[in-house]
Amino acid sequence: EAQVTQNPRYLITVTGKKLTVTCSQNMNHEYMSWYRQDPGLGLRQIYYSMNVEVTDKGDVPEGYKVSRKEKRNFPLILESPSPNQTSLYFCASRTRREGNEQFFGPGTRLTVL
Amino acid sequence: AQKITQTQPGMFVQEKEAVTLDCTYDTSDQSYGLFWYKQPSSGEMIFLIYQGSYDEQNATEGRYSLNFQKARKSANLVISASQLVDSAMYFCALLSGGYQKVTFGIGTKLQVIP
Repeated sequence: EAQVTQNPRYLITVTGKKLTVTCSQNMNHEYMSWYRQDPGLGLRQIYYSMNVEVTDKGDVPEGYKVSRKEKRNFPLILESPSPNQTSLYFCASRTRREGNEQFFGPGTRLTVL
Repeated sequence: AQKITQTQPGMFVQEKEAVTLDCTYDTSDQSYGLFWYKQPSSGEMIFLIYQGSYDEQNATEGRYSLNFQKARKSANLVISASQLVDSAMYFCALLSGGYQKVTFGIGTKLQVIP
């Protein structure tokens, strides 16, 4: 089944404790992105990647890191989480070969205390 | 800067009626695309429809159609024959920056009334 998976789905952590949210897709898509969703703000792009070893900042990259060592994986790293990073996070992938349809993961709800 | 505007925070529609959700965009790119997504209360993001800036025909997918007016920079979603399962948040999004950056609107909450 074609899908984007994220782990964990829910996470409660404390300020300053490094964490990683994993994202994996099995569709051989070249483009992957991370978004955060906050009430009243819609989704905002954090980072995106157009292929292996190619990443770039989206609209809200501060406090986040990403890497793209393999085509299927695109982890999101919070080196020192803060309460203002409490949010719902989505990973997504797409390909231009199939009309740019963007597939989303199920979301990760992060709470930073 | 890229921008998406959805001016309807909430809308009601009677079951089986058609409804139009508004979306306007702003970009200086010549090549871009527009998406619509549905987010039910369960939280997942569901792709509905995509329109490329060079596509001459308006995109359609089942009961969904995208009314693309390039000169007016609008990309409204039309849902025909609304069903109760259509009750959800709907987001318009702009794909720009060499088809890499995605900018979302703040969404419209649609409620279908029996």
